[in-house]
Amino acid sequence: GDSVTQMEGPVTLSEEAFLTINCTYTATGYPSLFWYVQYPGEGLQLLLKATKADDKGSNKGFEATYRKETTSFHLEKGSVQVSDSAVYFCALGAFGNEKLTFGTGTRLTIIP
Amino acid sequence: GAVVSQHPSWVICKSGTSVKIECRSLDFQATTMFWYRQFPKQSLMLMATSNEGSKATYEQGVEKDKFLINHASLTLSTLTVTSAHPEDSSFYICSAREVSGANVLTFGAGSRLTVL
Repeated sequence: GDSVTQMEGPVTLSEEAFLTINCTYTATGYPSLFWYVQYPGEGLQLLLKATKADDKGSNKGFEATYRKETTSFHLEKGSVQVSDSAVYFCALGAFGNEKLTFGTGTRLTIIP
Repeated sequence: GAVVSQHPSWVICKSGTSVKIECRSLDFQATTMFWYRQFPKQSLMLMATSNEGSKATYEQGVEKDKFLINHASLTLSTLTVTSAHPEDSSFYICSAREVSGANVLTFGAGSRLTVL
């Protein structure tokens, strides 16, 4: 079945550091890929998505590129801020299907 | 924007009792809601799909008599953990899809259940 393998955390970085959170997947067909973020005390929010190979999703300075050849969707940000501290989830889902398969989540802490 | 509220956000109960968790879409209608469960350091696992006015669809391996789901209205779905045991302790999250909206899910903040 479908699965998502996500970089284990926690990850602690200094403000303005470069961020990479790795995500790889296995799936049949051509799924859509997502990154969700969960801030303390809040629900998961969609951060960005990509629906086909070579698509790049971006939002709030975060980017991820759908790499079919490496089955990856790594999350990157060039300069993180304290406000980026949260738990990040990589997920996949068939297009038009809300049933998502999630990774384990990566807790990110940014220190000033 | 769309908001999904879960209540309670955390609950502690004794073994053998039943616990109800509510999931409400506050400013939109949702024909479909989803219930997930997350163990520490593990993925969110989809438990069931809750459909308004009909029976829930459970994922393989999820006991439907243990985890009762009711979706009585377009804004409310409930998950009842019956005869709870310590192994049911977990983080339960719901999500909802707006009736008329794009294929975007809105998630609740989750409910942490601890069974003593």
